[in-house]
Amino acid sequence: QQQVKQSPQSLIVQKGGISIINCAYENTAFDYFPWYQQFPGKGPALLIAIRPDVSEKKEGRFTISFNKSAKQFSLHIMDSQPGDSATYFCAALANTGFQKLVFGTGTRLLVSP
Amino acid sequence: GAGVSQSPSNKVTEKGKDVELRCDPISGHTALYWYRQSLGQGLEFLIYFQGNSAPDKSGLPSDRFSAERTGGSVSTLTIQRTQQEDSAVYLCASSFFVLLNTEAFFGQGTRLTVV
Repeated sequence: QQQVKQSPQSLIVQKGGISIINCAYENTAFDYFPWYQQFPGKGPALLIAIRPDVSEKKEGRFTISFNKSAKQFSLHIMDSQPGDSATYFCAALANTGFQKLVFGTGTRLLVSP
Repeated sequence: GAGVSQSPSNKVTEKGKDVELRCDPISGHTALYWYRQSLGQGLEFLIYFQGNSAPDKSGLPSDRFSAERTGGSVSTLTIQRTQQEDSAVYLCASSFFVLLNTEAFFGQGTRLTVV
């Protein structure tokens, strides 16, 4: 129940296209959903995050869509650029009990020029 | 320092030797995580420290792995009798223990190679 399932494992998108990465969870106690971006040789860094009281959050070209009833959330990268090529991890945190950030398995995004 | 610091950045060790990996979290952060990332793979959770609570060790792959956090700050991950399958990047992250908006800050990692 602590798992966060992420798909696809890898994704190739042409420059200017839309990249979509999906995550699903089971634990209804999760109430904070961040996305992390990792470039080769670097540690992951927070990209954008959402709480379940909103269905969408947008920051520049990055948007999180959240469907509480379906227990799913997704990252959309609009106008994808080669510089967006990285590994993306979704995550979830429950603010009850022993709080621990749980990560998805990651998606390797390649944006072709 | 301004961020999470890990040392060494690279470590090559012989099979069977013990290694210690160090993590200096951001000052004031009460939560500390260790993850392992094999080449091109996801983040494998190892252990989580939260304040003075007993750590969540559920991700440690074997009893050769152990970790401690002294004084609620610096953490050391120890791998005894290293094996080739232990080769990976070991990442440390820290965060504040506050409700909501809990960003975890990652270090650059320690790349461990067991030969």
